[in-house]
Amino acid sequence: DTTVKQNPRYKLARVGKPVNLICSQTMNHDTMYWYQKKPNQAPKLLLFYYDKILNREADTFEKFQSSRPNNSFCSLYIGSAGLEYSAMYLCASSRIGQYEQYFGPGTRLTVL
Amino acid sequence: GDQVEQSPSALSLHEGTGSALRCNFTTTMRAVQWFRKNSRGSLINLFYLASGTKENGRLKSAFDSKERYSTLHIRDAQLEDSGTYFCAAAHANSGTYQRFGTGTKLQVVP
Repeated sequence: DTTVKQNPRYKLARVGKPVNLICSQTMNHDTMYWYQKKPNQAPKLLLFYYDKILNREADTFEKFQSSRPNNSFCSLYIGSAGLEYSAMYLCASSRIGQYEQYFGPGTRLTVL
Repeated sequence: GDQVEQSPSALSLHEGTGSALRCNFTTTMRAVQWFRKNSRGSLINLFYLASGTKENGRLKSAFDSKERYSTLHIRDAQLEDSGTYFCAAAHANSGTYQRFGTGTKLQVVP
């Protein structure tokens, strides 16, 4: 099974409210990633977990949190959503030493 | 600076014709992956290459780490090939993550 699952598929949030997105994979991949994808833009890496080590991009350091309670799950947390957070959020995973990434179906977040 | 430069940004093809998309890299990359964005906005794996070429149906991809580029060739284009294609590449020294190109929006017309 090479499936990466994401929940929910669609999320509506109010400005200022928290948002929690979930990703899971059963491929025993070491590394899990979160990307933000806006129309007509390349996917933007937000952060990734290598095993239990969280790496966040410098320009998104304070905007996004994440947790990985076990190898299979990874969450993306927004403490206070702003309009600019409206986007598709894509989760991916890969195995250490192999750069091939497997993407989930995405969660489309709309902030109103 | 940008590490992955993808071109063209947009491409129109007539059915049955072909063309190539290209990604140039400003530094040495370990591997490249090509994706197509589906109608829902998710990314579908097309190819993953650490070197050489791969072919799947009407698609063929090549990656040359030394010359710092990768290509995706589409032949006998069909209407359903329309969509946005992305390349992503793993920097030789960056560890585990990939950098994405800005995408090529392909439109196949009758």
